Amino acid sequence: GNSVTQMEGPVTLSEEAFLTINCTYTATGYPSLFWYVQYPGEGLQLLLKATKADDKGSNKGFEATYRKETTSFHLEKGSVQVSDSAVYFCALTVPYSSASKIIFGSGTRLSIRP
Amino acid sequence: DAGVIQSPRHEVTEMGQEVTLRCKPISGHDYLFWYRQTMMRGLELLIYFNNNVPIDDSGMPEDRFSAKMPNASFSTLKIQPSEPRDSAVYFCASSFAQGKYEQYFGPGTRLTVT
Repeated sequence: GNSVTQMEGPVTLSEEAFLTINCTYTATGYPSLFWYVQYPGEGLQLLLKATKADDKGSNKGFEATYRKETTSFHLEKGSVQVSDSAVYFCALTVPYSSASKIIFGSGTRLSIRP
Repeated sequence: DAGVIQSPRHEVTEMGQEVTLRCKPISGHDYLFWYRQTMMRGLELLIYFNNNVPIDDSGMPEDRFSAKMPNASFSTLKIQPSEPRDSAVYFCASSFAQGKYEQYFGPGTRLTVT
């Protein structure tokens, strides 16, 4: 079946550090891949997405590349800020499948120290 | 666009009482999802609708939980009777079928059952 595995947190970094949050997936068909972010007290927001192999999604300085050969979609940012402190969810869906729902990973809590 | 609207934002009730959570999806979206989020179990999909019809309710934990979508702009999640273990944040999300299934989340309802 379809599933997402992401690195467990919490992850604590200093401001301006480089960030990587690992995500791998298992899916039938051709999934679309997403990163969602949840800031304290809020719902999840779409951060970025990629819909086919080798696509790179980017937003707010974050990037992730759809790697079909390694079934991965790692989230990266070159210089994190305190405002990036949040929980990050990797997710996938298989368009046009019978189950039109998103499969979420367990989430990775990120804390940035000033 | 106002986004997905949920009410109430916070609900505190006593065990045994009926609780009704409400959601207004984004206009034009075909899918509506109800999730529950807790520290212990993370983000769980409870039920989702397509064009107001329930498609998959396998995540609904017990018969005490029920959900309806009487029209395209309104859905309810009801818990009767409520129990302390139902305490969680409940999110509603909606999506547009013709896109790549990215979901838009509401701000959530924080339910506390004492």
